Amino acid sequence: SQTIHQWPATLVQPVGSPLSLECTVEGTSNPNLYWYRQAAGRGLQLLFYSVGIGQISSEVPQNLSASRPQDRQFILSSKKLLLSDSGFYLCAWSRPSQAIFYGYTFGSGTRLTIV
Amino acid sequence: RKEVEQDPGPFNVPEGATVAFNCTYSNSASQSFFWYRQDCRKEPKLLMSVYSSGNEDGRFTAQLNRASQYISLLIRDSKLSDSATYLCVVKGGGGADGLTFGKGTHLIIQP
Repeated sequence: SQTIHQWPATLVQPVGSPLSLECTVEGTSNPNLYWYRQAAGRGLQLLFYSVGIGQISSEVPQNLSASRPQDRQFILSSKKLLLSDSGFYLCAWSRPSQAIFYGYTFGSGTRLTIV
Repeated sequence: RKEVEQDPGPFNVPEGATVAFNCTYSNSASQSFFWYRQDCRKEPKLLMSVYSSGNEDGRFTAQLNRASQYISLLIRDSKLSDSATYLCVVKGGGGADGLTFGKGTHLIIQP
């Protein structure tokens, strides 16, 4: 069966510090991968998605970046965090062209607080 | 018009009651629809897909009205454990496979 792992679960970072969140998927190959952010009281905002190694599409301009160094690894990074980067970060995966039938499966999320 | 709109609630419902909420979507070419459930401070989890003819999963019934571009979720005999935020999801918009999430309807089941 497929599983998705995301860490850390919670993170408190000072303004201006760097960020690296990691997500890995097991039990499948060539998944589509996604990073979402959910700010307090708001909906899910798609940040990045990837259909393959090294292929990243950005949905929203921001000071965040994403990378996919391996097939089942997706990393969200920032060089300098802003207060507005606080939120609940979720990684998700889907089989290519299968989301129409099965939707996405989410990791357990990272709750990021910028202080 | 927002791509996917939901009444944020909260809906306060006594245990055992039936509750229904709707979601409207703007893209008439949308192809697939889902309801997700999100518990407080947790990740969203797929509750059920929504099929054109309507579908049922235990106490949950989902319906799709393409002409009016809305989706509904009906929960019968509500349980305390049904308290959560219910997200309406539509295939459309950006991203690979392009799922767009509503902001969710908050449901509180009261004893």
